[in-house]
Amino acid sequence: GAGVSQSPSNKVTEKGKDVELRCDPISGHTALYWYRQRLGQGLEFLIYFQGNSAPDKSGLPSDRFSAERTGESVSTLTIQRTQQEDSAVYLCASSDMGGRGDHPYNEQFFGPGTRLTVL
Amino acid sequence: KQEVTQIPAALSVPEGENLVLNCSFTDSAIYNLQWFRQDPGKGLTSLLLIQSSQREQTSGRLNASLDKSSGRSTLYIAASQPGDSATYLCAVPSGGSYIPTFGRGTSLIVHP
Repeated sequence: GAGVSQSPSNKVTEKGKDVELRCDPISGHTALYWYRQRLGQGLEFLIYFQGNSAPDKSGLPSDRFSAERTGESVSTLTIQRTQQEDSAVYLCASSDMGGRGDHPYNEQFFGPGTRLTVL
Repeated sequence: KQEVTQIPAALSVPEGENLVLNCSFTDSAIYNLQWFRQDPGKGLTSLLLIQSSQREQTSGRLNASLDKSSGRSTLYIAASQPGDSATYLCAVPSGGSYIPTFGRGTSLIVHP
């Protein structure tokens, strides 16, 4: 079946512009995560959606960052008034939170990422 | 807050060697632990997921073990091949959470 897809694969923008990044999770996956990976750095958690629950926004670095998810489908990460330090690869992952055994099975599957360059 | 450390940070070996990559974490009240590989300029590929009730998982030449009480996981790669060259990441959620903290990874080069 289809994996996680992200678009665009590359985005170059000018400082101060707004950008929207899209993630299409694996069909049926109730959980969706956004991460940021700066060059040579580890993955930083940004935001987590689980079903119809309120998202966990604890990783968003500033109020310029926001994300939405339509039901258990596509998600959009929006960065307003982009800054040069926003340049990074933005990765999306989804997982199936169906119960198996003692704990929900939560294997994450990642998309290929969107490389954002802010000039 | 979960802290995840991976040792070594980098490894360069000749083809055919058996390898051990280490991941340690500070909060042992976890639901699971997941190992990934990341190729340059690519996303992450899931290798193995170990549930908290399991002690190990195997997939082909890969074997991952989990010792929750000591806060450690080990990824064994048998008979390494040049195609195994990548960065290997472990991801561990904080206790009671499904949001993982990622280690900085082990950068592996297997040369012919």
